[in-house]
Amino acid sequence: QQQVKQSPQSLIVQKGGISIINCAYENTAFDYFPWYQQFPGKGPALLIAIRPDVSEKKEGRFTISFNKSAKQFSLHIMDSQPGDSATYFCAASRRGGYNKLIFGAGTRLAVHP
Amino acid sequence: NAGVTQTPKFQVLKTGQSMTLQCAQDMNHEYMSWYRQDPGMGLRLIHYSVGAGITDQGEVPNGYNVSRSTTEDFPLRLLSAAPSQTSVYFCASTPTSGPYNEQFFGPGTRLTVL
Repeated sequence: QQQVKQSPQSLIVQKGGISIINCAYENTAFDYFPWYQQFPGKGPALLIAIRPDVSEKKEGRFTISFNKSAKQFSLHIMDSQPGDSATYFCAASRRGGYNKLIFGAGTRLAVHP
Repeated sequence: NAGVTQTPKFQVLKTGQSMTLQCAQDMNHEYMSWYRQDPGMGLRLIHYSVGAGITDQGEVPNGYNVSRSTTEDFPLRLLSAAPSQTSVYFCASTPTSGPYNEQFFGPGTRLTVL
């Protein structure tokens, strides 16, 4: 039972372009939506996160857009750089106590120079 | 601060062998977790702990045991390894304070079961 669906599975973007990764969730009790970035041979690291009381959060070139009614959220990477090439995971959990994160399947992003 | 450390980095086992994957954190985090990462499936929670002496099952607990005798250490034991347990295993720790309960991941252990 995949509670968080992520697309696309892989993405190729030219340097300077916009990378967009989408996720959809099923459980309306989820109220915390982080994105993790993973470089080859490393563990995932938190990139940016959002709670459903806002529709957008921006940190530098990275933006999360959140649509509560559609149960969807997306990651936008503006001015994509070769150093952004990594695997990106969306996730969702409920607030409070131990947050049991449910991860999407991941998107492998390649930014070509 | 070393953060979250995992040993070994790589391991090859034969079917039926047992082993323990080690995980330690020096950030005094209460919560710790074990995940496995498989292609096309993201990270799936195996077991987690909300404090010393307290553990619980995650999404895919079968074939694995955990214990948490100290805040710092959270070892994962494979009782009788099977080829289906070939995966990359990540340990994570989480503080109980802060706005986002960020999970801090270790570098992973790549396990192959023949």
